[in-house]
Amino acid sequence: DIQMTQSPSSLSASVGDRVTITCRASQSITSYLNWYQLKPGKAPKLLIYAASSLQSGVPSRFSGRGSGTDFALTISSLQPEDFATYFCQQSYTTPLTFGQGTKLEI
Amino acid sequence: QLQLQESGPGPVKPSETLSLTCSVSGGSIGSSAYYWGWIRQPPGKRLEWIGHIYYSGDTYYNPSLQSRVTISVDTSKSQFSLKLSSVTAADTAVYYCARIIEAWGYNFDYWGQGTQVTVSS
Repeated sequence: DIQMTQSPSSLSASVGDRVTITCRASQSITSYLNWYQLKPGKAPKLLIYAASSLQSGVPSRFSGRGSGTDFALTISSLQPEDFATYFCQQSYTTPLTFGQGTKLEI
Repeated sequence: QLQLQESGPGPVKPSETLSLTCSVSGGSIGSSAYYWGWIRQPPGKRLEWIGHIYYSGDTYYNPSLQSRVTISVDTSKSQFSLKLSSVTAADTAVYYCARIIEAWGYNFDYWGQGTQVTVSS
């Protein structure tokens, strides 16, 4: 199975900050990397697919980059509604696997 | 707007079978463009893909769960279901259903809110 490792596990930031979360795959997954946002009691949300493509309806302050084994999700200017947990997921092969999550806190 | 809603009977006893249903509204579960899947998150752990199904009935399961998992679809009711047999405490988790689009691999583009399933005697 492909192992996905995110860092950091948690991150404290303020409204208006620029933050970056990284995700590393245990082998090359080319650009088969997706990012999701999870909030308690709400449906998770797909933010980025194919490493850098913005899902329809997602604000442009979210961006993704990377290929091969190293990827990053950047939020350019944090908004109050962005405080949540973020997961990466590889879609290169089954079993589909996720990172351990990054909790973004105020 | 597509909506998915998980439902299930509540707590499950060890060795029993966990059964969940996902009801889909605002879109066609019979579309050839999508798959329909299940994901879970045990407390304090990462998300785990359980498996998914195509409208035709073709299924894809996580090898770690394959011997205990059955996913089925009922297009007439716009529902798909998960059965997980011989459960233990390790199967306690929030279970999510999701729509899957195959674009650069399998992506979960719409999710349900999740339902907590506790395995306890």
